[in-house]
Amino acid sequence: GDSVTQMEGPVTLSEEAFLTINCTYTATGYPSLFWYVQYPGEGLQLLLKATKADDKGSNKGFEATYRKETTSFHLEKGSVQVSDSAVYFCALSTTSGTYKYIFGTGTRLKV
Amino acid sequence: EPEVTQTPSHQVTQMGQEVILRCVPISNHLYFYWYRQILGQKVEFLVSFYNNEISEKSEIFDDQFSVERPDGSNFTLKIRSTKLEDSAMYFCASSAGVYYTFGSGTRLTVV
Repeated sequence: GDSVTQMEGPVTLSEEAFLTINCTYTATGYPSLFWYVQYPGEGLQLLLKATKADDKGSNKGFEATYRKETTSFHLEKGSVQVSDSAVYFCALSTTSGTYKYIFGTGTRLKV
Repeated sequence: EPEVTQTPSHQVTQMGQEVILRCVPISNHLYFYWYRQILGQKVEFLVSFYNNEISEKSEIFDDQFSVERPDGSNFTLKIRSTKLEDSAMYFCASSAGVYYTFGSGTRLTVV
């Protein structure tokens, strides 16, 4: 079945460091891909999305490119801030009719 | 911007009791979902609902759980005879297609 694999956390970085959080997926068809962020004690916020191969999603300095050939959607940011400390979830939307989302295990970022 | 509203934000219940978690989806959305996040863990799909019936459910969604759209606006998740392991954050979401709007969640604590 469809699945999402994320790198284990926590990831600890100094302020202004470069961030990469790896995400790979297994899916039938061409799913849409998402990154969600969850701040402590809060809900899920959509950070960025991409709907087809080679699409680049971007928001608040974060970027991720939909790579069909490597089935990846890695999250990057050039210069992290303390306020970026949160848990980041990679997710895909299945291509069945129900639009079910499958989430990765989440990666905690500490800046 | 339209929101998905969940109530209550936090509920504490005794083991064995029934709870009803409530959600008001976005009015023109057609697909409704419940997800669960046990503390510190991944976000898991429970159920999707479309055209007044369950369209897909996970293995977690056993006979203990039920969903209902009683009045055309609310969307509820009922958990009968709660167990300690039902303690989690429950997220409602709605969509018109592939893009969700998540509610802010209900934290359920079973004691």
